[in-house]
Amino acid sequence: AQTVTQSQPEMSVQEAETVTLSCTYDTSENNYYLFWYKQPPSRQMILVIRQEAYKQQNATENRFSVNFQKAAKSFSLKISDSQLGDTAMYFCAFTRGGKSTFGDGTTLTVKP
Amino acid sequence: EAGVAQSPRYKIIEKRQSVAFWCNPISGHATLYWYQQILGQGPKLLIQFQNNGVVDDSQLPKDRFSAERLKGVDSTLKIQPAKLEDSAVYLCASGGTGYGANVLTFGAGSRLTVL
Repeated sequence: AQTVTQSQPEMSVQEAETVTLSCTYDTSENNYYLFWYKQPPSRQMILVIRQEAYKQQNATENRFSVNFQKAAKSFSLKISDSQLGDTAMYFCAFTRGGKSTFGDGTTLTVKP
Repeated sequence: EAGVAQSPRYKIIEKRQSVAFWCNPISGHATLYWYQQILGQGPKLLIQFQNNGVVDDSQLPKDRFSAERLKGVDSTLKIQPAKLEDSAVYLCASGGTGYGANVLTFGAGSRLTVL
């Protein structure tokens, strides 16, 4: 069974600065997908960014980018120019065959 | 495009009572998931449907939980009888087919408190 570990339960960052959230996973599979989801306080979870394991190029979505290290089984999320609206819980997810395994999340607080 | 609809948003019951949650996925999404999210943890998959068939229910406590997906569209998750440890947010998510099944769109969740 796959496991996903987010080793930082809580993080904080000053507005406009950059922060990196860590995620590691364990799998024997070669083809899979990795996702970061954002869950704002009392609001629904939404997709932030996705990465296909067969792609070597790191995914980027505006201020969000990932550092995907397949051999190390690491998938970190970098948020540049942090905004107050980025305050949320962030979940890393490993997905294969439509079945997702989530980490326990990192609570990110962006301070003004 | 309408999102994933869930109801009720909040429910408080006594232990040993029953409760049902409803989910309406995004139109055309073949795959539907129910996740349980206990406070401070990530979502845990309970059951996965493809159209109206069950793909994976290995983590569903079948002695008390049941789920169905009517005509491959709406879904209902039932708990009977509820236990204190069932207090959680129940998230419904849907996905497309093929690669799309891997990209989840979540509903707002149904928060259950068992007293």
